[in-house]
Amino acid sequence: EPEVTQTPSHQVTQMGQEVILRCVPISNHLYFYWYRQILGQKVEFLVSFYNNEISEKSEIFDDQFSVERPDGSNFTLKIRSTKLEDSAMYFCASSSSGGFGKTQYFGPGTRLLVL
Amino acid sequence: AQSVTQLGSHVSVSEGALVLLRCNYSSSVPPYLFWYVQYPNQGLQLLLKYTSAATLVKGINGFEAEFKKSETSFHLTKPSAHMSDAAEYFCAVSGSKDSSYKLIFGSGTRLLVRP
Repeated sequence: EPEVTQTPSHQVTQMGQEVILRCVPISNHLYFYWYRQILGQKVEFLVSFYNNEISEKSEIFDDQFSVERPDGSNFTLKIRSTKLEDSAMYFCASSSSGGFGKTQYFGPGTRLLVL
Repeated sequence: AQSVTQLGSHVSVSEGALVLLRCNYSSSVPPYLFWYVQYPNQGLQLLLKYTSAATLVKGINGFEAEFKKSETSFHLTKPSAHMSDAAEYFCAVSGSKDSSYKLIFGSGTRLLVRP
């Protein structure tokens, strides 16, 4: 069964450093998402992406964040200058098409720790 | 704005007992509702979803949920708990016309199954 994959599974970085989190969505999917979960808190929406454009972004997704689909398979989240509060589990998700009832398939997550 | 409330951050049941995980939603438009499960060190896996068809929705692993508009609820049940059901369960909503299909999650309920 096709899966969403994410690399790395864990990343430790120093405050102020740039990090890139990578995701490979399911191959024929068209909609891509990033969510994050700070330890002990809710899973929160960050950004959605379709047709090489951001469809929606949350208040969390400020100028320090960017997303890119550099080729036909990868979907990346970049944090330009990490802060302590960026420490969280980051989940990538994809869906085959738009629509409010469409299932979003989640990857296993990247645990980011900012020191 | 849409929101989801999950009553009980932790629920403990005996193996073989009924599982009931509560979810109430708030939405100004007909909602689409989802239950996801997260096993330790894994991503979010869809259990079931409500998309305005049948109000009683059956999912994987013997789980089901009933959409009750009058109560704004979408509680998750399973007649007989297995040890393997121990995980964290998230209720989520989507469907706002101003949204890009993002999911809005509840805070999660951790299910513990006692032998």
